[in-house]
Amino acid sequence: EPEVTQTPSHQVTQMGQEVILRCVPISNHLYFYWYRQILGQKVEFLVSFYNNEISEKSEIFDDQFSVERPDGSNFTLKIRSTKLEDSAMYFCASSEFEEGNEQFFGPGTRLTVL
Amino acid sequence: GQNIDQPTEMTATEGAIVQINCTYQTSGFNGLFWYQQHAGEAPTFLSYNVLDGLEEKGRFSSFLSRSKGYSYLLLKELQMKDSASYLCAVRIAGAGSYQLTFGKGTKLSVIP
Repeated sequence: EPEVTQTPSHQVTQMGQEVILRCVPISNHLYFYWYRQILGQKVEFLVSFYNNEISEKSEIFDDQFSVERPDGSNFTLKIRSTKLEDSAMYFCASSEFEEGNEQFFGPGTRLTVL
Repeated sequence: GQNIDQPTEMTATEGAIVQINCTYQTSGFNGLFWYQQHAGEAPTFLSYNVLDGLEEKGRFSSFLSRSKGYSYLLLKELQMKDSASYLCAVRIAGAGSYQLTFGKGTKLSVIP
């Protein structure tokens, strides 16, 4: 069964450093998403991406964040200068269609900012 | 703004039936999803409702009333492995996007 994959599973970084979180969505999916979940809190939407551009972003997704689809398979989330409060689990998700279809979540990357 | 409420925790006995409620107040409603999340893992899809009524899928059923802003997830014949958090999520129709807005989740503990 096709699945969304994410690397690395765990990333530890120093405050102020840049990190890139990587995702490989399901191959025939067209819509991609990043969510985050701070420990013990709810899953929060960050950004959605379609046709090589951001379609919507939340208030969390400020200028420190960017997304890219550098090739036909990868989808990345970059945090330019990490802050302590960026520590969270970051989930990538993809869906085949815009609506009438579930979003499949990857296993997540646990980001720890020291 | 968006508001989704569900109980924080529930406990039920193995073999029993449990109902997890979710109420929501959102704009741009475009469907309600239930996801299961085991600790430290990704959410996995359980069910989807966009029209009023009951959707049944094996041991899991989900109900939606759009006029009341209410949904529930029904789990039958509970098994120990059903111990997890259950996330109610509303899909919002934005400008070219259909993001999910999640509730805080209901942590279900299944006891022998």
